[in-house]
Amino acid sequence: QVQLVESGGGVVQPGRSLRLSCASSGFTFRAYAMHWVRQAPGKGLEWLSLISYDSSNIQYADSVRGRFTISRDNYKNILYLEMNSLTAEDTAIYFCARDKPPNDLWGQGTLVTVSS
Amino acid sequence: DIQMTQSPSFLSASVGDRVTITCRASQGFGNKLAWYQQRPGKVPRLLIYTTSTLHSGVPSRFSGSGSGTDFTLTISSLQPEDVATYYCQKYDIAPWTFGQGTKVEFK
Repeated sequence: QVQLVESGGGVVQPGRSLRLSCASSGFTFRAYAMHWVRQAPGKGLEWLSLISYDSSNIQYADSVRGRFTISRDNYKNILYLEMNSLTAEDTAIYFCARDKPPNDLWGQGTLVTVSS
Repeated sequence: DIQMTQSPSFLSASVGDRVTITCRASQGFGNKLAWYQQRPGKVPRLLIYTTSTLHSGVPSRFSGSGSGTDFTLTISSLQPEDVATYYCQKYDIAPWTFGQGTKVEFK
């Protein structure tokens, strides 16, 4: 069926890196822009990044620009988020979302906990 | 960057009540305004896009309106399954900023 499934979350020490993946199925992944959104525990939604269908347009929120890198593999139908220099403030559930626009399909999220 | 401010942050209502949530932008950006519902422990769900277009499968008791800097989500008759947090989002250009959320609970 049409779905997005995130993976790669876990517990990581401050200053370390982590790569999240978002596997798509049931739709033509290469036709859609994609986004990453996060939600800190008990907090609201925070938009992080978008990548166009062909990777020609990439945008970031100020809070992650220079530390996070979004990318995609249209052959494998996977979206990625490379996260570097992680801090406790990056602890959150990370969602990938399809760009209809706006975000009409969301994954279930993957939890990233930054802690020593 | 444009900031999105929702009001109220929390509201308590009864079944059948008409509920209105407001989203105010720090400057105008057109009509690329969306509303999402996030039930407790669940994934966000798109309700409305382009200010007033109902997403597929969303009950007709939900409606959206607005222009300029002020936008509104209305639930015409609150139902038990509507207990959730609601978020507005601008999606004209990056950053696709969300409002801080409005939590809707029953009295």
